[in-house]
Amino acid sequence: DADVTQTPRNRITKTGKRIMLECSQTKGHDRMYWYRQDPGLGLRLIYYSFDVKDINKGEISDGYSVSRQAQAKFSLSLESAIPNQTALYFCATAAGGGNTEAFFGQGTRLTVV
Amino acid sequence: GQNIDQPTEMTATEGAIVQINCTYQTSGFNGLFWYQQHAGEAPTFLSYNVLDGLEEKGRFSSFLSRSKGYSYLLLKELQMKDSASYLCAVRPWAGSYQLTFGKGTKLSVIP
Repeated sequence: DADVTQTPRNRITKTGKRIMLECSQTKGHDRMYWYRQDPGLGLRLIYYSFDVKDINKGEISDGYSVSRQAQAKFSLSLESAIPNQTALYFCATAAGGGNTEAFFGQGTRLTVV
Repeated sequence: GQNIDQPTEMTATEGAIVQINCTYQTSGFNGLFWYQQHAGEAPTFLSYNVLDGLEEKGRFSSFLSRSKGYSYLLLKELQMKDSASYLCAVRPWAGSYQLTFGKGTKLSVIP
């Protein structure tokens, strides 16, 4: 089983719909992140959380919200999806302190039509 | 501001050596990461440099010069499976994983 699991893996939704992407991890890491990846733009940070009570906006948080339901779960919501939110979304986790490595989930490919 | 530059695409021959460059201008610096990403898959960690110099790990090596804002990833004895995108990313402060990523370099390995 994967250490960082994202659901769903693929989703097509209509403009204006609310959608939630979920991420769960078995690494025991405190830090969780949501990135989106677009062709030609690289990975960009949407939100991050250092523990259950700590939520922070990243570079491109507009149009998104998150919930850290537990140490192991971090979900990303699009309240009213729009076509330019079509992208590949990645969740990542990392241990705190000086640990250098982060672990990415397999990604969710979201298409908004 | 944050700016990370790397070539968009590169092509190299199986068995050869290729060097992928990355230059950065960021408001903070506490380390540079290289990730490998096959199409449609998750990025996987390759290397991390926080001090100047060369870090070697099997066929892959990574170099950092903080004074020049420059890093490179060196891949030796190229294999077809090395065809992937290589992502350069900068960490702004210790313990953070708020990485700023470059746009990635798509490497194609040809026979």
